[in-house]
Amino acid sequence: DQQVKQNSPSLSVQEGRISILNCDYTNSMFDYFLWYKKYPAEGPTFLISISSIKDKNEDGRFTVFLNKSAKHLSLHIVPSQPGDSAVYFCAATFDKIIFGKGTRLHILP
Amino acid sequence: NAGVTQTPKFQVLKTGQSMTLQCAQDMNHNSMYWYRQDPGMGLRLIYYSASEGTTDKGEVPNGYNVSRLNKREFSLRLESAAPSQTSVYFCASSEGVRGNQPQHFGDGTRLSIL
Repeated sequence: DQQVKQNSPSLSVQEGRISILNCDYTNSMFDYFLWYKKYPAEGPTFLISISSIKDKNEDGRFTVFLNKSAKHLSLHIVPSQPGDSAVYFCAATFDKIIFGKGTRLHILP
Repeated sequence: NAGVTQTPKFQVLKTGQSMTLQCAQDMNHNSMYWYRQDPGMGLRLIYYSASEGTTDKGEVPNGYNVSRLNKREFSLRLESAAPSQTSVYFCASSEGVRGNQPQHFGDGTRLSIL
């Protein structure tokens, strides 16, 4: 039973355009949602988070939106850059952290 | 500025052998974690230690044991390795277990069980 779902295994976006990565969850008790970025042969690195009491959090080119009624969050990257090519994991926390399976983002030149 | 250090980076074992994966952090974090990452499965929590002296099971603890040796170090032991334990193992640490305390990850140990 997947509590955190990333339904798109991969996504390709033109350099300079907006990248939108999506994540759905089932447990309404989650209190924080986080995005991590992972390059090959490296560990994941924390990107941005949002509390369940907020609906938007922004950090530079990265914005996370939370829609609690739909149990959905999304990560927007604007503008997309070549270095953004990586696997992105959505995660949610309550008493433990649960990760989604990841979405591989390809930024095309 | 090492952060989270995992050793070894690569290891090949035969079925039935035992092995300990080492993890150390230099950020004075209270909480430490062990994950495994398999293709198409994301990151799954094996065990975690919320604070020095405590350990708890995660999502996939069977076949593993852990030791929180001190505040800096958290080891993962495979007593009798099985091919199903072939995976990439990540250690992580954080100030605490709250969601607003993000985890910092090591670069992983790639383990193959033949």
